[in-house]
Amino acid sequence: DSGVTQTPKHLITATGQRVTLRCSPRSGDLSVYWYQQSLDQGLQFLIQYYNGEERAKGNILERFSAQQFPDLHSELNLSSLELGDSALYFCASSVDLQGYGYTFGSGTRLTVV
Amino acid sequence: QQQVKQSPQSLIVQKGGISIINCAYENTAFDYFPWYQQFPGKGPALLIAIRPDVSEKKEGRFTISFNKSAKQFSLHIMDSQPGDSATYFCAAVTPLNAGNNRKLIWGLGTSLAVNP
Repeated sequence: DSGVTQTPKHLITATGQRVTLRCSPRSGDLSVYWYQQSLDQGLQFLIQYYNGEERAKGNILERFSAQQFPDLHSELNLSSLELGDSALYFCASSVDLQGYGYTFGSGTRLTVV
Repeated sequence: QQQVKQSPQSLIVQKGGISIINCAYENTAFDYFPWYQQFPGKGPALLIAIRPDVSEKKEGRFTISFNKSAKQFSLHIMDSQPGDSATYFCAAVTPLNAGNNRKLIWGLGTSLAVNP
């Protein structure tokens, strides 16, 4: 157990739907990162939050949004889902903004049918 | 634009052999180079990391070799075992930006299979 908790582990939904992925960072970590991993691509950075504030954006689609709550857990919202959104979504956390050590959760496998 | 280029994409090694994965980077301002190991169904986990002022770092059977002038670094797995079969990602950390933030730039990964 890495200490980063992601729920749900698996999600199957239809095209056009909206889903919410949840992440609880490791205790003491203030920074949360969201990544998308598809079969034919590596780890695609989506977005980063630090202590409730958005700090960096990567290749995140406009259909996707995220937030980090006062208790530091984070949610990634995916809407108007398309078949191509099927992927593993990982959350990672770190204690600060230095980037020296990320702890990843086990991911949420999203299947859009 | 891929700032960290990783090769090979896949690698098959016999048990007891040496696995070598290479990465090349472009930005000389990168100041930290971690390797992550990912098993199927799991998230990546930090394996070993090196700073550019060191040419080599060893932890057990895992060694990073760093060549600053060539802007290359590599992961060597000695006495490779079937349990090492995983995907390995190299990465590079950017210097602090105006927002006091660093980014992790990832390689595309290498799928390693160690045959028994």
